[in-house]
Amino acid sequence: EDQVTQSPEALRLQEGESSSLNCSYTVSGLRGLFWYRQDPGKGPEFLFTLYSAGEEKEKERLKATLTKKESFLHITAPKPEDSATYLCAVSNAGNNRKLIWGLGTSLAVNP
Amino acid sequence: DTGVSQDPRHKITKRGQNVTFRCDPISEHNRLYWYRQTLGQGPEFLTYFQNEAQLEKSRLLSDRFSAERPKGSFSTLEIQRTEQGDSAMYLCASSDTGGRSDTQYFGPGTRLTVL
Repeated sequence: EDQVTQSPEALRLQEGESSSLNCSYTVSGLRGLFWYRQDPGKGPEFLFTLYSAGEEKEKERLKATLTKKESFLHITAPKPEDSATYLCAVSNAGNNRKLIWGLGTSLAVNP
Repeated sequence: DTGVSQDPRHKITKRGQNVTFRCDPISEHNRLYWYRQTLGQGPEFLTYFQNEAQLEKSRLLSDRFSAERPKGSFSTLEIQRTEQGDSAMYLCASSDTGGRSDTQYFGPGTRLTVL
């Protein structure tokens, strides 16, 4: 069964304290892995799509990496405005329209 | 590109009433999705359209839920005889069929509260 597990559930950082969020997945043929950011009461905001092991993508203080079993979202020198829930989702080769979602990591960055 | 829009942003209704939500996708996107999300959970897939055709519907979706996309542009989601358990955030997303993957872009959501 396709499954996505995110860890930790919650993370509290001091401003400038770098860290990583984990997304472990089991899928019958990965088509794509997606990272989204979600602020309270809003829809998910697209961050990255990764397709194959070894791929990396960066955007400002965020860097996403992918292996055959997991993805990491690295946050370098975070700021309070990076506080949000970060969601990971995958699509499989058989049904790339339906995303399988993790429960998210709630990140709080203190000034 | 104005992004995905949803209307209304908030809806409060009494149990047993019908509600309808609207979604306007990104203009060039031919795929449209509806999701439901409750607190602390990831989005839960409800249904999906390619152009005007509804191609997939979750088994979790009861017959009180119906969705349409009559001209392949905007979509509506109707919930009949609402129940308290229907209280959630209803999210719409769109994507196009070009490119390597089917990256979905989400709207701001409609928060439904059933009293």
